[in-house]
Amino acid sequence: GENVEQHPSTLSVQEGDSAVIKCTYSDSASNYFPWYKQELGKGPQLIIDIRSNVGEKKDQRIAVTLNKTAKHFSLHITETQPEDSAVYFCAASLNTGNQFYFGTGTSLTVIP
Amino acid sequence: DGGITQSPKYLFRKEGQNVTLSCEQNLNHDAMYWYRQDPGQGLRLIYYSQIVNDFQKGDIAEGYSVSREKKESFPLTVTSAQKNPTAFYLCASSIRDRSYEQYFGPGTRLTVT
Repeated sequence: GENVEQHPSTLSVQEGDSAVIKCTYSDSASNYFPWYKQELGKGPQLIIDIRSNVGEKKDQRIAVTLNKTAKHFSLHITETQPEDSAVYFCAASLNTGNQFYFGTGTSLTVIP
Repeated sequence: DGGITQSPKYLFRKEGQNVTLSCEQNLNHDAMYWYRQDPGQGLRLIYYSQIVNDFQKGDIAEGYSVSREKKESFPLTVTSAQKNPTAFYLCASSIRDRSYEQYFGPGTRLTVT
């Protein structure tokens, strides 16, 4: 089955700096890669996703890049703000399937 | 939290008791899912259902049971057979043809002592 690894497990950045979270996956058949933000005591919220036919996708301060050959994808947050502090999860799945495989999460702290 | 409700937010039970967690959605989604989240781990799939009266086991179904009698509801029962039931439980739903876009509820934290 699919194995998703996520690094780092914790990340602290100064407000205004950029943050990068990286994930690798093992199943080359995976073709959908969402990123979720989870605030304390709440369910994960989808913040951005990318499909395997695209190498990069941006949405304001958030971008995701995908390298299919190397089987890794990354979340980039620019101009970080304190409200970006949360746990971020990557995931991989087949868009025809129902099974998501999640990374172990990155706890991001933005220091004002 | 997008139209998915889970209740209660916190639940406490004694060991050996079954407990049922509620999940309701008003998004008209066909598919619903239950995940378990433990500290320092990713979400793990317990059960999922693509349509009423049908459901499949996920990776960690042992000790759990579900039902899907209505499209809007997908309750999860944590039975006494589940060895480590204390966890944060998340319910999600999706449009059937877009099962890769799942929307999560706020979760229920279950503590068993």
